[in-house]
Amino acid sequence: RKEVEQDPGPFNVPEGATVAFNCTYSNSASQSFFWYRQDCRKEPKLLMSVYSSGNEDGRFTAQLNRASQYISLLIRDSKLSDSATYLCVVGPLNSGGYQKVTFGTGTKLQVIP
Amino acid sequence: GAGVSQSPRYKVAKRGQDVALRCDPISGHVSLFWYQQALGQGPEFLTYFQNEAQLDKSGLPSDRFFAERPEGSVSTLKIQRTQQEDSAVYLCASSLARGLRTGGDNSPLHFGNGTRLTVT
Repeated sequence: RKEVEQDPGPFNVPEGATVAFNCTYSNSASQSFFWYRQDCRKEPKLLMSVYSSGNEDGRFTAQLNRASQYISLLIRDSKLSDSATYLCVVGPLNSGGYQKVTFGTGTKLQVIP
Repeated sequence: GAGVSQSPRYKVAKRGQDVALRCDPISGHVSLFWYQQALGQGPEFLTYFQNEAQLDKSGLPSDRFFAERPEGSVSTLKIQRTQQEDSAVYLCASSLARGLRTGGDNSPLHFGNGTRLTVT
């Protein structure tokens, strides 16, 4: 089983729709969770961290479910500019004091006019 | 600009050639990571530096891969005797944090735009 698994998509949604992605992780000791966004042929950029209590940033909501070992990303009122690949990132606390995070393969979102 | 800079942007190498990929992290960033990203996949960890010390090289796929950061700033990833399976985008990322919560939103990973290596 992969450490971090995502549905690769693509998710094709109309503008204005709400879309949600899930990501499952295998290491129960994982302590840090993030969503990164990667545009085509560009580098990944941090979208948001995921906190235990769930957190929201504008149209984006992230949730963590430790019992079932998954995180989710909800995008409301989708915009054309949201079209990208969304990478789930999970990190256990490394004994050396740094986090060697693991990236999922990404979920591709295409927002259609 | 003040971001992570990588060069070259594109590199085509004949099988068996050696290549060197350069990363200029954000000034003052302690942590530096190299990742390999194949088409349709997420970035895969290669190695990690804290200043000039290479603390983790567990992701390097073979002894043909070598990375250094001698003065704690610029880093070079060298691949000897390149093979076709080495074709990928090589991403460098730096982070301000020294240790705990590297990659958190108080010290996110800042990626360069990568070097696309094609081995023919």
